[in-house]
Amino acid sequence: DTAVSQTPKYLVTQMGNDKSIKCEQNLGHDTMYWYKQDSKKFLKIMFSYNNKELIINETVPNRFSPKSPDKAHLNLHINSLELGDSAVYFCASSQDPRQGNGYTFGSGTRLTVV
Amino acid sequence: AQSVAQPEDQVNVAEGNPLTVKCTYSVSGNPYLFWYVQYPNRGLQFLLKYITGDNLVKGSYGFEAEFNKSQTSFHLKKPSALVSDSALYFCAYNFNKFYFGSGTKLNVKP
Repeated sequence: DTAVSQTPKYLVTQMGNDKSIKCEQNLGHDTMYWYKQDSKKFLKIMFSYNNKELIINETVPNRFSPKSPDKAHLNLHINSLELGDSAVYFCASSQDPRQGNGYTFGSGTRLTVV
Repeated sequence: AQSVAQPEDQVNVAEGNPLTVKCTYSVSGNPYLFWYVQYPNRGLQFLLKYITGDNLVKGSYGFEAEFNKSQTSFHLKKPSALVSDSALYFCAYNFNKFYFGSGTKLNVKP
């Protein structure tokens, strides 16, 4: 059973389009995250939700809108895609990182905007 | 500002030799420090963590790390490198959320 699953794995789309990436975790964790990894491999947090409530928004353009219908899901919707949005997006979840193994990551969604 | 730093973009080591991937931290209070590994086209996987207690922490795949408070370091080590250890390694700390270092690419050559 996949602990944190993201779909799709690859996404190629044109500038200006709107797209969504889905994330689901079956670990029973309370907190979920979206991270962006750029071409230089830097990992930067975008959003964090705890039990469906937004707790972290790291100065992300408002074209990016996370949605959490329940604590097991955190989807990322992106409007008006730009070339600079091309990156790998990772979903992650955690309970209390001090108690467990920190985060559990999904395998990533490689977004290419052309 | 609180942070972790990985001073080396890349580390090259021959198979069978010991390896060290460096991490220094600048975190107030008691830091919760982690190492993660990312294999090509994969998500990050947990290797080990330091919360409190013994300064030498053992983790997955034979890796270990030593928390050194005086040097504010948390270097990742392995006594004998394998080609399969070649990957991207991230040091991280937890303070309400995870902050990752810039990553170090480890190349282990046969």
